[in-house]
Amino acid sequence: KAGVTQTPRYLIKTRGQQVTLSCSPISGHRSVSWYQQTPGQGLQFLFEYFSETQRNKGNFPGRFSGRQFSNSRSEMNVSTLELGDSALYLCASSWTQGQGSGYTFGSGTRLTVV
Amino acid sequence: AQKVTQAQTEISVVEKEDVTLDCVYETRDTTYYLFWYKQPPSGELVFLIRRNSFDEQNEISGRYSWNFQKSTSSFNFTITASQVVDSAVYFCALRFRSGGGADGLTFGKGTHLIIQP
Repeated sequence: KAGVTQTPRYLIKTRGQQVTLSCSPISGHRSVSWYQQTPGQGLQFLFEYFSETQRNKGNFPGRFSGRQFSNSRSEMNVSTLELGDSALYLCASSWTQGQGSGYTFGSGTRLTVV
Repeated sequence: AQKVTQAQTEISVVEKEDVTLDCVYETRDTTYYLFWYKQPPSGELVFLIRRNSFDEQNEISGRYSWNFQKSTSSFNFTITASQVVDSAVYFCALRFRSGGGADGLTFGKGTHLIIQP
């Protein structure tokens, strides 16, 4: 059974550009959530999608957005990149949304903004 | 607001020693879920255990064991007879349950565990 797949694995962007990250959940999983990991702030929740709808959102500026497709695949977009956006972005999928669902994480996309 | 504290930033032990990773949480909710994840250098978060607030039984899985105590809001993780492959960053996380749908996981800062051969 394939795990959570995140692409690309590494990315280098210039300040001011925008970027789109992709996450393919485990087959049958309908919930996808995104996290940002930085040395200073640690792991922080970005947002969670279920059935193509954003259900929960963390405390991030509007430059961070996402969407989920009918096949549960999700994309995350960051516009007007800042140096501080350099981070490991992790995606997690689960069977259902919320509560005590177990989460399976992908290997992440490491974004470097220069 | 909820919070997870992992006071130990880094722990270094020699192989075969037992080691305990501490986790203290804060939440106002009566129903919540606690998790432990392992993050090896590859970056992927590997799920280790989930425990709900109604279940205070300790759990043992091979060399791993977890001690959940609601009275002290702690969910500690012990590795017995540690091995070099246990070297990683370990995260404790908390998720609460709300009427309108739950929020995301709140993670502790992590404990970097180094097992020396």
